[in-house]
Amino acid sequence: DIVMTQSPDSLAVSLGERATLNCKSSQSVLYSSTNNNYLAWYQQKPGQPPKLLIYWASARESGVPDRFSGSGSGTDFTLTISSLQAEDVAIYYCQQYYSTPQTFGQGTKLEIK
Amino acid sequence: QVQLQESGPGLVKPSETLSLTCTVSGGSITSYYWSWIRQPPGKGLEWIGYIYYSGSANYNPSLKSRVTISVDTSKNQFSLKLTSVTAADTAVYYCARGRMTMVRGVMVNWFDPWGQGTLVTVSS
Repeated sequence: DIVMTQSPDSLAVSLGERATLNCKSSQSVLYSSTNNNYLAWYQQKPGQPPKLLIYWASARESGVPDRFSGSGSGTDFTLTISSLQAEDVAIYYCQQYYSTPQTFGQGTKLEIK
Repeated sequence: QVQLQESGPGLVKPSETLSLTCTVSGGSITSYYWSWIRQPPGKGLEWIGYIYYSGSANYNPSLKSRVTISVDTSKNQFSLKLTSVTAADTAVYYCARGRMTMVRGVMVNWFDPWGQGTLVTVSS
């Protein structure tokens, strides 16, 4: 199985500041035949199911605010929130879909400083 | 838009079988892959398996010996059975639609949308 490791486990950022969340895969999730990175990001607020934010490592899901962006390739990926809003407090998960079983990171808890 | 809703018992005794159903509304269950994913209290997410409307399924090897996912297209539902449960199977169980792509001949998914989830506790 591909192991997904997120860092940090928790992060406190001031409102309006940038938040940077990291995700590392135990093997590359870049498929050379398509030149795509098979990685998604989700946001989970308390008592709610995860919500898809980003897929193909950097494609923003429809309706997701443009302050959310994904980047990276191969084994190292980043979710950036350019200007943190109060409603962004949540746990964020990355997920690889390069191989089955699809696996998730352990999550990064994002809070307001 | 498509909505998913899990249903089933919230309490299952150890060694018995956990059974859940996901009802899909606002769209047809055909033409997509449908997954079960679970989240133990306070922990991360684990993909259990998926099924295609044709009945073709793929399971997480860690659970494969105990899991069966089935589909009923006439009811727009798919179901999960997990046998011989223990306390370690206590979790919120989510159903989700797979956004699918193929890699090296294998169908893989990312997930959207998700159901609200249902907590299943394994206890005597």
